[in-house]
Amino acid sequence: DAMVIQNPRYQVTQFGKPVTLSCSQTLNHNVMYWYQQKSSQAPKLLFHYYDKDFNNEADTPDNFQSRRPNTSFCFLDIRSPGLGDAAMYLCATSRDRGPVRNEQFFGPGTRLTVL
Amino acid sequence: KQEVTQIPAALSVPEGENLVLNCSFTDSAIYNLQWFRQDPGKGLTSLLLIQSSQREQTSGRLNASLDKSSGRSTLYIAASQPGDSATYLCAVASETSGSRLTFGEGTQLTVNP
Repeated sequence: DAMVIQNPRYQVTQFGKPVTLSCSQTLNHNVMYWYQQKSSQAPKLLFHYYDKDFNNEADTPDNFQSRRPNTSFCFLDIRSPGLGDAAMYLCATSRDRGPVRNEQFFGPGTRLTVL
Repeated sequence: KQEVTQIPAALSVPEGENLVLNCSFTDSAIYNLQWFRQDPGKGLTSLLLIQSSQREQTSGRLNASLDKSSGRSTLYIAASQPGDSATYLCAVASETSGSRLTFGEGTQLTVNP
């Protein structure tokens, strides 16, 4: 019955070693989002896809990139993880953008540890 | 720029108490407001979404209200239970930001048996 699935749930990587986090959805939603959440802080939007249209937030570091090969899947690539990138990464979806149908549904998150 | 504030940052209550969590936002031009629950180390679970034209939404023991003109929302939890212990986050989708959500930093709720 899972609607937004993230894999893996826990990821350990070494400083500077590229890592990819995965998100899939069974809702057939047009929009997919990636957030970073550090301990006791609000989630911070990194970027989102509206269908195939990629929208980067102005303050998202170049170290973070994303791919959406099809409607169901979206990947977060961290090219050279630093200690400051250790966080929970949350994927979310919404049917659409704008005033209606933009309710966001979140996955369980991937906890990234950087050694 | 939209800013969202949640007060208090932490709240501890005995089981059975009714309680209110507060959320305020600076820009009243919003599409909607969502309340989420987050358990430790987990993702966000959507509890209630209130459209800008609505005054309140109810789901079970939860009732969320919205006063757009004053930039406030409250989440009322009736007859609290230990299983309600979690962090509660509110987030607004503003007219100027499309579908982007601006989150508050949450209220950490502990319900003691």
